[in-house]
Amino acid sequence: EPEVTQTPSHQVTQMGQEVILRCVPISNHLYFYWYRQILGQKVEFLVSFYNNEISEKSEIFDDQFSVERPDGSNFTLKIRSTKLEDSAMYFCASSGNRVENQPQHFGDGTRLSIL
Amino acid sequence: AQSVTQLGSHVSVSEGALVLLRCNYSSSVPPYLFWYVQYPNQGLQLLLKYTSAATLVKGINGFEAEFKKSETSFHLTKPSAHMSDAAEYFCAVSAGFTGGGNKLTFGTGTQLKVEL
Repeated sequence: EPEVTQTPSHQVTQMGQEVILRCVPISNHLYFYWYRQILGQKVEFLVSFYNNEISEKSEIFDDQFSVERPDGSNFTLKIRSTKLEDSAMYFCASSGNRVENQPQHFGDGTRLSIL
Repeated sequence: AQSVTQLGSHVSVSEGALVLLRCNYSSSVPPYLFWYVQYPNQGLQLLLKYTSAATLVKGINGFEAEFKKSETSFHLTKPSAHMSDAAEYFCAVSAGFTGGGNKLTFGTGTQLKVEL
């Protein structure tokens, strides 16, 4: 079964540094998402992306965050200047056919640790 | 706006016993409802989904859930727990595709422990 893959599995970064989290969604999917899960808390929506633009974003997704689909396969989340509170597990997800309301498929996540 | 409440952050059952994980939702539009499971150090795996076709939904690994509009509930059940079911379970709600995606709103999760 096709999978969403995320790299790296664990990223350690100094506060104030830029970090890029990478995702390869399922190949025929059209909708892409990022979520995060701070340790011990629930999974929170960050942003959705469709047709090469952001379709919805949460209050968490401020100017420090950006997303990009630089080619036909990768989907990236960039945090420009990391803060301690950005430490979390970040999940990428993708979904396919809108008409069938296909569910989102999640990657295994990237654990981001800010020092 | 959508929200989900999962009652019980930790549930413990004996192997072979009934599993019941509770989820109540709030939605301003007809909801789409999902249960996901998360094993340690892994991502979220879809167990089952409700998309208005049938109120009783069967999923993978013997789980099922029933949509009850009058109770705004979507509880997850399994007749007989197995040790391999130990994991964290998340209920999620969506308003369906609105424009460019179907954002999921998650509950706080229920950690299921299965004892011998």
